[in-house]
Amino acid sequence: AQSVTQLGSHVSVSEGALVLLRCNYSSSVPPYLFWYVQYPNQGLQLLLKYTSAATLVKGINGFEAEFKKSETSFHLTKPSAHMSDAAEYFCAVTASGYSTLTFGKGTMLLVSP
Amino acid sequence: GAVVSQHPSRVICKSGTSVKIECRSLDFQATTMFWYRQFPKQSLMLMATSNEGSKATYEQGVEKDKFLINHASLTLSTLTVTSAHPEDSSFYICSARDVTGGSHEQYFGPGTRLTVT
Repeated sequence: AQSVTQLGSHVSVSEGALVLLRCNYSSSVPPYLFWYVQYPNQGLQLLLKYTSAATLVKGINGFEAEFKKSETSFHLTKPSAHMSDAAEYFCAVTASGYSTLTFGKGTMLLVSP
Repeated sequence: GAVVSQHPSRVICKSGTSVKIECRSLDFQATTMFWYRQFPKQSLMLMATSNEGSKATYEQGVEKDKFLINHASLTLSTLTVTSAHPEDSSFYICSARDVTGGSHEQYFGPGTRLTVT
């Protein structure tokens, strides 16, 4: 079974500041890990994914995440926040391409001017 | 990238009526689609896995007779909420798995806001 823990239901940053959203996972098999973004009243958009290739994964909109097996973490970062980054972010894990996704509870990113 | 559509985007219905939500993969074939439910300010909860040509697999605690799923073609899955009640009001999101090229990536629809009065 897999599970995901996202630390912090809300994260506030200033525009231009570093964004760090934390995700820790639990999996009995090598995981596939994902970060999704959700804007209000919309579906989920994939930011990036880790599928056992490079541990540092670059995604869209300047986001990247690093898979650290020893820490069971997959934290999402962006060097400089934009106002348009304000949204809900979900980390998800699955055991394989055929398995279902298990989502974390989400982290709301707030960006102030 | 692959696109998944949902229809309608919003629906308001009276208690006791049924509502059908459609999920379509527009530019790829999806043998598997997923239905999620999301309560305000909460995460997505998987309701069921829909497989083309076979019965859906429901998650524990989801009433299969209340949430009817039909995956009649490789591009269309429908979720029917039968005898809807106010507690069924929620945001319903579908996703479709694209297995072409071995990606197995899930693409999400824009969601359907159901309000039962």
